[in-house]
Amino acid sequence: EDQVTQSPEALRLQEGESSSLNCSYTVSGLRGLFWYRQDPGKGPEFLFTLYSAGEEKEKERLKATLTKKESFLHITAPKPEDSATYLCAVQAPGNQFYFGTGTSLTVIP
Amino acid sequence: NAGVTQTPKFRILKIGQSMTLQCTQDMNHNYMYWYRQDPGMGLKLIYYSVGAGITDKGEVPNGYNVSRSTTEDFPLRLELAAPSQTSVYFCASSVGFTMNTEAFFGQGTRLTVV
Repeated sequence: EDQVTQSPEALRLQEGESSSLNCSYTVSGLRGLFWYRQDPGKGPEFLFTLYSAGEEKEKERLKATLTKKESFLHITAPKPEDSATYLCAVQAPGNQFYFGTGTSLTVIP
Repeated sequence: NAGVTQTPKFRILKIGQSMTLQCTQDMNHNYMYWYRQDPGMGLKLIYYSVGAGITDKGEVPNGYNVSRSTTEDFPLRLELAAPSQTSVYFCASSVGFTMNTEAFFGQGTRLTVV
């Protein structure tokens, strides 16, 4: 039973072409939703934590939003250096974390 | 300030061998975690610790053991390696265990069991 589903699996964008990544979750009693960026051969790098519906957070060209069943990571005017895999994770009651399989983003100059 | 350091970076084990993956952090974080990451799968939590002397199971603990004798170190032990344990292992740490706490990850250990 998938707790976290990310879509699309892969996304190719032209530089400057804005888009959104989706993370839907089925966890009850969400304790927190996390976004990470992972570059090839590296560990995940923390981006955002959200924990209540309606919450939004921004960092440079990235904005994360949260509803009761999903989160979006909006990328505005992406640059090639934004190319990476973006991971979503949720924290459930009982101190369990569940990660999605990620969205591989490629930004073409 | 090195953050989270994992050793080794790569290792090949034969079936039935044992090894310890080392993880140390210099940020004085109470919380530490071990994850494994398989191709096409999300990271899976193996074990976590909320402080020295306290550990607990995550989603996939079978075949692994951990200890936390100091705040800095959180080694992961594989007693009888199996091919199913071929994976990339990540150690992470954070100040807190819940919201608004930034988790720092190590660079990973790529383990192959043959």
